[in-house]
This record gives sequence, structure tokens and C-alpha cells, in this order.
Amino acid sequence: DAEITQSPRHKITETGRQVTLACHQTWNHNNMFWYRQDLGHGLRLIHYSYGVQDTNKGEVSDGYSVSRSNTEDLPLTLESAASSQTSVYFCASSDDRTSGSYEQYFGPGTRLTVT
Amino acid sequence: EDKVVQSPLSLVVHEGDTVTLNCSYEVTNFRSLLWYKQEKKAPTFLFMLTSSGIEKKSGRLSSILDKKELFSILNITATQTGDSAVYLCAVEANLLPPVLEGAQKLVFGQGTRLTINP
Repeated sequence: DAEITQSPRHKITETGRQVTLACHQTWNHNNMFWYRQDLGHGLRLIHYSYGVQDTNKGEVSDGYSVSRSNTEDLPLTLESAASSQTSVYFCASSDDRTSGSYEQYFGPGTRLTVT
Repeated sequence: EDKVVQSPLSLVVHEGDTVTLNCSYEVTNFRSLLWYKQEKKAPTFLFMLTSSGIEKKSGRLSSILDKKELFSILNITATQTGDSAVYLCAVEANLLPPVLEGAQKLVFGQGTRLTINP
């Protein structure tokens, strides 16, 4: 079955370290997204991509970067982790809207703690 | 700036009660509104609404959209403890300037945490 996976599921890191969170989907979706979820804020968009070599900043992109070298993967990198980046991170993907599909499928999440 | 606001933020009811969750939005070039249910892990899709006044139903859950007043409601009747979750509302707007036709971006509300007590 097609799926979307994230790794690691839990990560503890120190302030100032570089951290990369992996996201892999097997639906062959063009659209991929990274969100963070914090109490009282819902899901906030960090970065997104509409295809290979395409990346865009979301509303809370400072301190994060992504790259899209193939359809399946959109890794999220925290260049220099800060305590304010302690959060739960969700990756999501969706098919082209032209297919009539609107749903975003979410990965299981990565809980990141920056000490 | 596109904005989605959900209310209440938290709701505690007894099993068997009916609940109504609200979602209001301000977006340019509205395209669709989606409801998701989030239990302990990833959000899962419930409904997608694009037209005013047409109710979508799935079992005890139903939802309707009012594009004139810019809001949607999610109703759950005869609630069960398994309905306890965070319910997320998200709005999709047309992307400007024109981008790839298949592109999509969602703006989420803060969520409503629903607790059903036995």
C-alpha cells in the first residue's frame, strides 16, 4: 500500500546542532508539505514543494530549509536548532488538484525536542 | 493575510450529546474548506466542501459551508468516546500569482479539542 513515512519519530538534540527530518511518500504525489504543530497554533506551514526542484517558503520558514531532488522525498533541515523549534513536525503530500483529489495525506509526525 | 479561526478551542460533553464545531475564515480567492480529525497522531481527512448549503454526511458526522458568511460547521450527533480528538479546519485558496495547475496550499485553524466523557 502507498504511504507516507517520517523518520525519526522522536529526536532530542542540542541547541545549535543541525538536524534533518526525513519524509518519504510512495504515492508519487507532486505536492509535499512540512508543518509544525504547537499548542494553540494548529498546523503551521513551514515549506512546501510542487515538484522536483521546486521549493517554497511557508508562514514559519525562518531557520528551516528543504530540498526536493526526487518525487518521493522532502527532507526538512534545521540549520542551527533553537529551543523555539521544539515541536511536532508533520509531513504531508497531495495529488495534483487536476486529478480531482483534494486531500492531504499526513505522515505520523516527528516529535523534536531541542535542549 | 489568510486566516482561519475555530471555536470553541476546547469542548467537553457527555456521551450521547450532539456537538457543533465552528470554523470561520478570511481568505482571498476561496477554493475549498476541509475538515480533519486528529487523534493521537496524524490528521485524517473527514470532508471537503466547496459549495454553499450542500451538507456532506458520513455516519454521525455532517458538515456544511456558508460562503456568504464565510464559515463552516461540523456536527457530530450521538457522540461516542471514540469521537474524542482534535478537529482541524483548513481552507484552500487559489494561489496567486498563477502557479502549477495541480498546486495546493492549505491554511489551518488552531483546532478544537473535543472530549467525550462516558
